[in-house]
Amino acid sequence: NAGVTQTPKFRILKIGQSMTLQCTQDMNHNYMYWYRQDPGMGLKLIYYSVGAGITDKGEVPNGYNVSRSTTEDFPLRLELAAPSQTSVYFCASVGRLASYEQYFGPGTRLTVT
Amino acid sequence: LAKTTQPISMDSYEGQEVNITCSHNNIATNDYITWYQQFPSQGPRFIIQGYKTKVTNEVASLFIPADRKSSTLSLPRVSLSDTAVYYCLVAGDRDDKIIFGKGTRLHILP
Repeated sequence: NAGVTQTPKFRILKIGQSMTLQCTQDMNHNYMYWYRQDPGMGLKLIYYSVGAGITDKGEVPNGYNVSRSTTEDFPLRLELAAPSQTSVYFCASVGRLASYEQYFGPGTRLTVT
Repeated sequence: LAKTTQPISMDSYEGQEVNITCSHNNIATNDYITWYQQFPSQGPRFIIQGYKTKVTNEVASLFIPADRKSSTLSLPRVSLSDTAVYYCLVAGDRDDKIIFGKGTRLHILP
């Protein structure tokens, strides 16, 4: 059982480049989330989705975009990367209700130089 | 989503019982209390969830008083490998946006 998978594991971007962080879950979960975590800090919610075709902003959405065309996939797009986006990005999913247990992916470590 | 307050950090020694308390004064009737554990370079991992009184699993116990305005995560006989950040979350059926607080950084000493 794969759970939540994220690709890539590591990435170095130059300032101004763009990229997409992939997140896939195989648990048929409705809710999916993207968080970022800066060194020594807590998790900040970027975007979330309550189902296919529905997305909404979290605490720190600026500089990011998401889409949810299927239940399984929730990609995060970075446009015009900036050094402030250097962080570890975690994707998570939850089943029937958001208050249930969240399952996290292994994370993507992104450096923007 | 109910606001939570936890200690920023705690130290303890191997073999001790550790109790981490979380305050959530504005908890709603249908809210559940959930605790997560996060090791460095890993995503958070679910530890335990409860609604009232006491819940116990193979990892921890969760104590919730009758007024539910706080909760205490209890880790029995901790080891060095329990060094991690512990997050308390309070959310209910009407919450879609799940926001983590700063968590409690637990450091276990030999």
